[in-house]
Amino acid sequence: ETGVTQSPTHLIKTRGQQVTLRCSSQSGHNTVSWYQQALGQGPQFIFQYYREEENGRGNFPPRFSGLQFPNYSSELNVNALELDDSALYLCASSSLGGYTFGSGTRLTVV
Amino acid sequence: KNQVEQSPQSLIILEGKNCTLQCNYTVSPFSNLRWYKQDTGRGPVSLTIMTFSENTKSNGRYTATLDADTKQSSLHITASQLSDSASYICVVSSVNTDKLIFGTGTRLQVFP
Repeated sequence: ETGVTQSPTHLIKTRGQQVTLRCSSQSGHNTVSWYQQALGQGPQFIFQYYREEENGRGNFPPRFSGLQFPNYSSELNVNALELDDSALYLCASSSLGGYTFGSGTRLTVV
Repeated sequence: KNQVEQSPQSLIILEGKNCTLQCNYTVSPFSNLRWYKQDTGRGPVSLTIMTFSENTKSNGRYTATLDADTKQSSLHITASQLSDSASYICVVSSVNTDKLIFGTGTRLQVFP
């Protein structure tokens, strides 16, 4: 049974650029959720995908978008990066309430 | 508004000592409460999960309690080890949604 894998582990981008983060879900999980965790804070819910459809969204602007693929892996895209987008981005796959988190992608916007 | 609050914000203890972390929530209707351990820069790792009918659950040296009437939970760590140094996050979910509501965590540091 594979866990949740996120890539890349670290990333540095400049303000205004676009970024794509990737997440592979755990075997048997059909739901993927994305979170943003600023330094010293708890994770904030960005959105969730269930069977390739968005299934709920937190308080994030439209420049945060996502995709889920038929194999339930997922992407998080962020356009027009801002300095405040610097954070750890966590992906969690789930099924019937059982969550497994990836190790995260550390995004730094300079 | 659904919220999860944790205390203390940070805690320093000596190796071998016990400690207790607190979590208060206002999430309703309540479904379950989870405690996660998160090492710096890593994803959260599940320690315990409790539903409404459970008031205590153990995982090795970690013991979580839940009082659904007062909407409070605690995580007790026994005989702390240096590897226990991490953030401990309380997470609550509602019956109405599969979404997780995170507390801001307690940062625990264990010194030799």
